[in-house]
Amino acid sequence: QKEVEQDPGPLSVPEGAIVSLNCTYSNSAFQYFMWYRQYSRKGPELLMYTYSSGNKEDGRFTAQVDKSSKYISLFIRDSQPSDSATYLCAMWGAEAGTALIFGKGTTLSVSS
Amino acid sequence: SQTIHQWPATLVQPVGSPLSLECTVEGTSNPNLYWYRQAAGRGLQLLFYSVGIGQISSEVPQNLSASRPQDRQFILSSKKLLLSDSGFYLCAWSSRENTEAFFGQGTRLTVV
Repeated sequence: QKEVEQDPGPLSVPEGAIVSLNCTYSNSAFQYFMWYRQYSRKGPELLMYTYSSGNKEDGRFTAQVDKSSKYISLFIRDSQPSDSATYLCAMWGAEAGTALIFGKGTTLSVSS
Repeated sequence: SQTIHQWPATLVQPVGSPLSLECTVEGTSNPNLYWYRQAAGRGLQLLFYSVGIGQISSEVPQNLSASRPQDRQFILSSKKLLLSDSGFYLCAWSSRENTEAFFGQGTRLTVV
């Protein structure tokens, strides 16, 4: 079993839709959870950052962490064509190693 | 503010030639530094990380090496490139608290 599982998609939605992106993980030592957005041929940019369980909202984006289920989500409300990108989840814990562990990324396409 | 510079953006090299990719970070001290490779459909693969000058940890045995000659400089090298070294190489840094990582814009390497 891989440490972090993420459905690669692709996921296609119409403009204005609510998008749900998810990752599951197996290592209970993970404490910090991140979502990155990566446009084609660019480096990933940090989108959301959450510590432990709970929700965090930033504009149209909401990150959720459920440590009991080892499940994290990113919700995008009122999706826009500019949201079309690959979204990578990442996580880290002091007892899980030095570097972030990434999911493989989900490719999202929002059509106008 | 912190910035990370990575160059070149694109590189085409023949098989058997050497490689040197450079990454520098500005606006922070004692960062953790990382080299990742991203292949299509395979997500981000951690290649090397460094917690200080001259301290390099290798995650995957392969044809590449890394060096950190200065606090904010990280170099990825190869003596003889293989076709399988083609990919998108990303440098990243994180603070000593080692939570979120910030990425450079990447180098797309094609070995021909």
